[in-house]
Amino acid sequence: DIQMTQSPSTLSASVGDRVTITCRASQSISNWLAWYQQKPGKAPNLLIYKASTLESGVPSRFSGSGSGTEFTLTISSLQPDDFATYYCHHYNSNLFTFGPGTKVDIK
Amino acid sequence: QVQLQESGPGLVKPSETLSLTCTVSRGSISNSHYYWGWIRQSPGKGLEWIGGVYYSGSASYNPSLKSRVTISVDRSKNQFSLKLTSVTAADTAVYYCARHPYDTSDSYIHAPLFGGQGTLVTVSS
Repeated sequence: DIQMTQSPSTLSASVGDRVTITCRASQSISNWLAWYQQKPGKAPNLLIYKASTLESGVPSRFSGSGSGTEFTLTISSLQPDDFATYYCHHYNSNLFTFGPGTKVDIK
Repeated sequence: QVQLQESGPGLVKPSETLSLTCTVSRGSISNSHYYWGWIRQSPGKGLEWIGGVYYSGSASYNPSLKSRVTISVDRSKNQFSLKLTSVTAADTAVYYCARHPYDTSDSYIHAPLFGGQGTLVTVSS
């Protein structure tokens, strides 16, 4: 089984900060990696797929990079609406694995 | 925009069967470009993909749950359903239905788009 890990588990930041979250896979997953944002009481919302492709309607301050086993999600300038939990997700047709999440809270 | 809505009992007794339905609106469950899935989220295990089904009825499951899960589609009602047998407290979670973009050229199932708000199912006597 492929395991996904994320770091940090919690991140405290201020509005305007550049934020980077790292996701690692236990073996190479090419670029089959997505990122989700989840707010309390809501379903996860897809931000990025294929490691770096921005989902339609997602602000351009979000970006993704990486391939193989290491990936990053970057928020170029953190906005008040961005305080949430972020999950990476490996998808490979019939195999779907989520990371444990990174909570971004107010510093 | 396709909308999904989960429905079903919020409380299930241990050892019984959890049954949920997802109703698809503003779109057809027979759309060949989508695969329909169930995902759950619990404090203990985080987000976990349960399985999914194509409009043809072809289904796939998470190996860790495969022995207890059945996912089916009812095209006449534009719905798909989840049955999870022999539930325990560990199955307590928020259950989401979702749609996966499906590439018909290579049969690739892509990352899920969560459409519903989720439904909390508690397993307790």
